[in-house]
Amino acid sequence: AQSVTQPDIHITVSEGASLELRCNYSYGATPYLFWYVQSPGQGLQLLLKYFSGDTLVQGIKGFEAEFKRSQSSFNLRKPSVHWSDAAEYFCAAQTGGGNKLTFGTGTQLKVEL
Amino acid sequence: DAGVIQSPRHEVTEMGQEVTLRCKPISGHDYLFWYRQTMMRGLELLIYFNNNVPIDDSGMPEDRFSAKMPNASFSTLKIQPSEPRDSAVYFCASSLRGEKLFFGSGTQLSVL
Repeated sequence: AQSVTQPDIHITVSEGASLELRCNYSYGATPYLFWYVQSPGQGLQLLLKYFSGDTLVQGIKGFEAEFKRSQSSFNLRKPSVHWSDAAEYFCAAQTGGGNKLTFGTGTQLKVEL
Repeated sequence: DAGVIQSPRHEVTEMGQEVTLRCKPISGHDYLFWYRQTMMRGLELLIYFNNNVPIDDSGMPEDRFSAKMPNASFSTLKIQPSEPRDSAVYFCASSLRGEKLFFGSGTQLSVL
């Protein structure tokens, strides 16, 4: 079955430290891949997406993600975390435009000052 | 554009009552999605529409749930009768060509 796995439920980092959030997918073919962020009481906002081409994708707010086919992974990174990055982050996958988007269970990021 | 607009933001109702959630997608978007978010199950796709036509409703939990999209600028999700286990945050999202989704702020539903 198609699935998206985020193995880390909670992550705590210090402000200014680097961040990596993990995401693995299980699909027959390479899906479209997304990272969304959800702030408390808000809907989800798209950070970045990967459809094809360059495996390192740049997004908003200084985030980037790297697609690794051999590892079926699409990990989200940021070199220096800001306190305002504290939120929940969701990885998602889709087999093509207009098809069902499947979300991971999310990773809650806490930033210590 | 004001983004995806959902109403109400919060809804508290008693078990057995009918609940109607509303969504106005972004103008020009041709896809509309209804998601439910709970601690236990995360984000679940309930149903989605393309050009006002329901495409996949396999996520609708049971017959108590129904969704309509009478025109390109409005959709409703109805629960009748509501039950406590329906308590969740319900999100509406819209997109162009079904790719990048724009989410509303959600409706927090509490069924007592």
